[in-house]
Amino acid sequence: GAVVSQHPSWVICKSGTSVKIECRSLDFQATTMFWYRQFPKQSLMLMATSNEGSKATYEQGVEKDKFLINHASLTLSTLTVTSAHPEDSSFYICLGSMNTEAFFGQGTRLTVV
Amino acid sequence: QQQVKQSPQSLIVQKGGISIINCAYENTAFDYFPWYQQFPGKGPALLIAIRPDVSEKKEGRFTISFNKSAKQFSLHIMDSQPGDSATYFCAASRNSGNTPLVFGKGTRLSVIA
Repeated sequence: GAVVSQHPSWVICKSGTSVKIECRSLDFQATTMFWYRQFPKQSLMLMATSNEGSKATYEQGVEKDKFLINHASLTLSTLTVTSAHPEDSSFYICLGSMNTEAFFGQGTRLTVV
Repeated sequence: QQQVKQSPQSLIVQKGGISIINCAYENTAFDYFPWYQQFPGKGPALLIAIRPDVSEKKEGRFTISFNKSAKQFSLHIMDSQPGDSATYFCAASRNSGNTPLVFGKGTRLSVIA
């Protein structure tokens, strides 16, 4: 099946710093990239939807200035957590969509200390 | 508003038994219903998916049953094995490719010997 490569798989950062998470669709063109967040023992919650070349659409309650999403090409989307705080510690995962199929990245475990 | 309701929250099954997880949806526009398996620390992996033109789909030990009129679908795991112990998420989306998956809250399955 198609592959979405997500990096890094885990990251520890200090409060106040920014972290960039990258998702690349390796053998297909992800026209849409969805970004989810998952807290421990909870389900996946949609944060934002991005389409190549346009601004991301954020879900209610998600700060667009804190979670910067860039979808500059059909194969690359990035999520930058700016001025990270301990409450941003979570599992972040992208879902690349092409037509009627969608594929998850491997996820990024972010720990803010 | 929870668009996909999943039950039970947790399930314990004897090795060799049948694991059954149920989901119900509200949005009649949904027409893609995947199931994901997630192991601790890993991203969800697509297990099996169904579209509403069929009432059942089987892949190995995994079967999805779909009831369009009741807006319900379920996952059956036959001959459950300890290696099947994981969290399972049902999801639903519309068939446009630009709409995100909406997830159930997950079911933690434990298969005991």
